[in-house]
Amino acid sequence: DAKTTQPPSMDCAEGRAANLPCNHSTISGNEYVYWYRQIHSQGPQYIIHGLKNNETNEMASLIITEDRKSSTLILPHATLRDTAVYYCIVRVANTGGFKTIFGAGTRLFVKA
Amino acid sequence: NAGVTQTPKFRVLKTGQSMTLLCAQDMNHEYMYWYRQDPGMGLRLIHYSVGEGTTAKGEVPDGYNVSRLKKQNFLLGLESAAPSQTSVYFCASSTDRGNSPLHFGNGTRLTVT
Repeated sequence: DAKTTQPPSMDCAEGRAANLPCNHSTISGNEYVYWYRQIHSQGPQYIIHGLKNNETNEMASLIITEDRKSSTLILPHATLRDTAVYYCIVRVANTGGFKTIFGAGTRLFVKA
Repeated sequence: NAGVTQTPKFRVLKTGQSMTLLCAQDMNHEYMYWYRQDPGMGLRLIHYSVGEGTTAKGEVPDGYNVSRLKKQNFLLGLESAAPSQTSVYFCASSTDRGNSPLHFGNGTRLTVT
């Protein structure tokens, strides 16, 4: 599975959009991009995933570049409760979750 | 609908003691997983199961055993605990459909002295 590169930490002002980048330059055509987050002391929480097209759900939006070598997770109106570690993961399509490999992620600090 | 439930939440063991961590899910998921999380190491897969009665090794299986006697439960056993097994343990589950995301429990914090 392709590896991902994320900045170790980012700050965001409360109420502003948080844009978390992820580089996956070696991604294959059959690999999906997944985002999870982990709030302190809790288990990771699934946010969103996509293959080629941009995706949006009630939590966030996922923007994938046309060449699929990078993506951005957007939290449109960050709150203090969004302070967490965010993991970007790539996984081959139609494989089990045992192919989910977590890296170090990005620690997002949302400040009042 | 509780999702994924892990028991106990905290445990302290002495070196050489044994224990079993229980994971239960009420989502009728086929797949279940055990991860451990250590500072600076991220989450690493210990064992997983793709169905009742089946188990398989993950990235760091040594020192652990697992059983999946019922679809909704996945047990992680430590036969002889070592200080290196001090960690936070997370259980997760997913459907068997391709691209299904993982659903995690809130962890068991284990300290081995």
